[in-house]
Amino acid sequence: DIVMTQSPDSLAVSLGERATINCKSSQTVLYSAKNKNYLAWYQQKPGQPPKLLISWASTRESGVPDRFSGSGSGTDFTLTISSLQAEDVAVYYCQQYYTTPPTFGGGTRVEI
Amino acid sequence: QLQLQESGPGLVKPSETLSLTCTVSGYSLPNSIYYWGWIRQSPGRGLEWIATVYYSGSTFYNPSLKSRVTISIDTSKNQFSLKLSSVTAADTAVYYCARIGSPLVPNSHFDYWGQGTLVTVSS
Repeated sequence: DIVMTQSPDSLAVSLGERATINCKSSQTVLYSAKNKNYLAWYQQKPGQPPKLLISWASTRESGVPDRFSGSGSGTDFTLTISSLQAEDVAVYYCQQYYTTPPTFGGGTRVEI
Repeated sequence: QLQLQESGPGLVKPSETLSLTCTVSGYSLPNSIYYWGWIRQSPGRGLEWIATVYYSGSTFYNPSLKSRVTISIDTSKNQFSLKLSSVTAADTAVYYCARIGSPLVPNSHFDYWGQGTLVTVSS
């Protein structure tokens, strides 16, 4: 199985400041033939299911604010919240779908 | 608007079988171009994919659970179901049903999720 490792476990960011979350996979999730990274990012608030924010490492889902962006390739990925808002307090997860079983990172808690 | 809703017992005794159903509304499962799956979440194991099913009945399982898991689909009821046998306390988790977000592909991101149901394994 591909192991997804997120860092940091938690971070505190001031309102309006940038938050950066890292995700590293134990092997590449880049499918070279299609030049696509098989990586997604989710946001989970208390008592709610995970919400898909970004797929293919950098494609924002419809309705997701543009302050959320994904970057990276191969084994190293980043989710950036450019200007943290109060409603962004949540736990964020990365997930690879390059191989079966799909696997998730352990999560990063973002606080104000 | 696509919605998924899990249902089933919230308490299961050790060694018994956990059974859950996911009812899909706002989308017709017969001839669906999407696959459908179950994921669970616990403090100790985090988010863990369990199994995936297609409207045709094709199934895919996490090898770590395969010996104990059965996923099935009933397109006439617009539902799919999960059975997990010989449960232990380690199977206590919130169980989610979800849609696999890429059409015609069994392994991808998950774009629609149910609200989740807590299943506790205890005598």
